[in-house]
Amino acid sequence: NAGVTQTPKFQVLKTGQSMTLQCAQDMNHNSMYWYRQDPGMGLRLIYYSASEGTTDKGEVPNGYNVSRLNKREFSLRLESAAPSQTSVYFCASSTRNGRMYEQYFGPGTRLTVT
Amino acid sequence: GDSVTQMEGPVTLSEEAFLTINCTYTATGYPSLFWYVQYPGEGLQLLLKATKADDKGSNKGFEATYRKETTSFHLEKGSVQVSDSAVYFCALRDSNYQLIWGAGTKLIIKP
Repeated sequence: NAGVTQTPKFQVLKTGQSMTLQCAQDMNHNSMYWYRQDPGMGLRLIYYSASEGTTDKGEVPNGYNVSRLNKREFSLRLESAAPSQTSVYFCASSTRNGRMYEQYFGPGTRLTVT
Repeated sequence: GDSVTQMEGPVTLSEEAFLTINCTYTATGYPSLFWYVQYPGEGLQLLLKATKADDKGSNKGFEATYRKETTSFHLEKGSVQVSDSAVYFCALRDSNYQLIWGAGTKLIIKP
């Protein structure tokens, strides 16, 4: 049981390049999330998928797209990277289990855009 | 909208000192409340949670009590260790099952 896995761990891009961050979970969770973490700003939600086949914008969706490929996998795509997208990206998953709700996080992808 | 406010860090303490990290929230209704911890170079992991007023969450010597009257969920530990050095995040679950996050408080424990 690996939990939530993310690839790659580190990435350097030039401005204008594109890339896809991969996320997978093996806990049979319905909901998945992409966050970015910037110094002093906590976590900000980029996109989420409440269930397979649905995706919704979070707080900071501009410049990103997502795909919920199946119940296990949720990818984040940067079509044309910008220096402002330099950040640490976390994927998370959860099951909507009433008040016992908890999100489980992957180890993160550290992205630098030059 | 809902929000979470945490004390700014970094908080620097000596080993075996008493720890308090303040967290207050604004929300409609009675949200579930959480503390997450992020160790250096890792993702976040749940530390403790409380789902209703007066509940006390506890784990690894940390405690936090859900105080409805003061809309607070302060994190406490009686005797910190160097291994507790990390960033601590307070969060609430809103009515749409989204987590609303505080900005995080960095804790540094010196031997």
